[in-house]
Amino acid sequence: GAGVSQSPSNKVTEKGKDVELRCDPISGHTALYWYRQSLGQGLEFLIYFQGNSAPDKSGLPSDRFSAERTGGSVSTLTIQRTQQEDSAVYLCASRVGGSNYGYTFGSGTRLTVV
Amino acid sequence: AQTVTQSQPEMSVQEAETVTLSCTYDTSENNYYLFWYKQPPSRQMILVIRQEAYKQQNATENRFSVNFQKAAKSFSLKISDSQLGDTAMYFCAFPFGGATNKLIFGTGTLLAVQP
Repeated sequence: GAGVSQSPSNKVTEKGKDVELRCDPISGHTALYWYRQSLGQGLEFLIYFQGNSAPDKSGLPSDRFSAERTGGSVSTLTIQRTQQEDSAVYLCASRVGGSNYGYTFGSGTRLTVV
Repeated sequence: AQTVTQSQPEMSVQEAETVTLSCTYDTSENNYYLFWYKQPPSRQMILVIRQEAYKQQNATENRFSVNFQKAAKSFSLKISDSQLGDTAMYFCAFPFGGATNKLIFGTGTLLAVQP
């Protein structure tokens, strides 16, 4: 597509439930990133994909967080047994592989755990 | 360690005036990019301007320009002729991590343009 698409735009879930957040990057962008933005804070790196592999998962805060990417395109971030501290905006970005500029961000998913 | 510091949590400017947002950073790399992103209420991070560290000339994009001081590791953003649509959070960022090139962000400056 023309931009990075994320769904859902907003998600309210009960504590303890699992959630899946989706990112559809720009076609041809081999690099994909997930970030978390807590209220009033900057962006915190979670995970990086190059193609379908994730060589850098160093930002995932706990084993309740996982992500996958299929077909070198769509990525899903899964949070199991959600906690209130997981409430945040989750942003996805993609870029052309081999460059370190030209990151394009989606509009994010606002997750609220009640 | 790679760090980005934005020391101004909030700023306010009158429409048509000029405002400068500050950013300092620390990196051990010699060649890198620096970015300013704008985040309006829509949440999408929009690239405002980028600077290549090996270029001495400061980058300019219309009303937006930077003052890049490599030795001081300072990268400030100047917005001229401020417009109401410039109201947003502004983040300074740079990529690091070798092939990962993950962006590290400052904590942001909330800019309010007053009519």
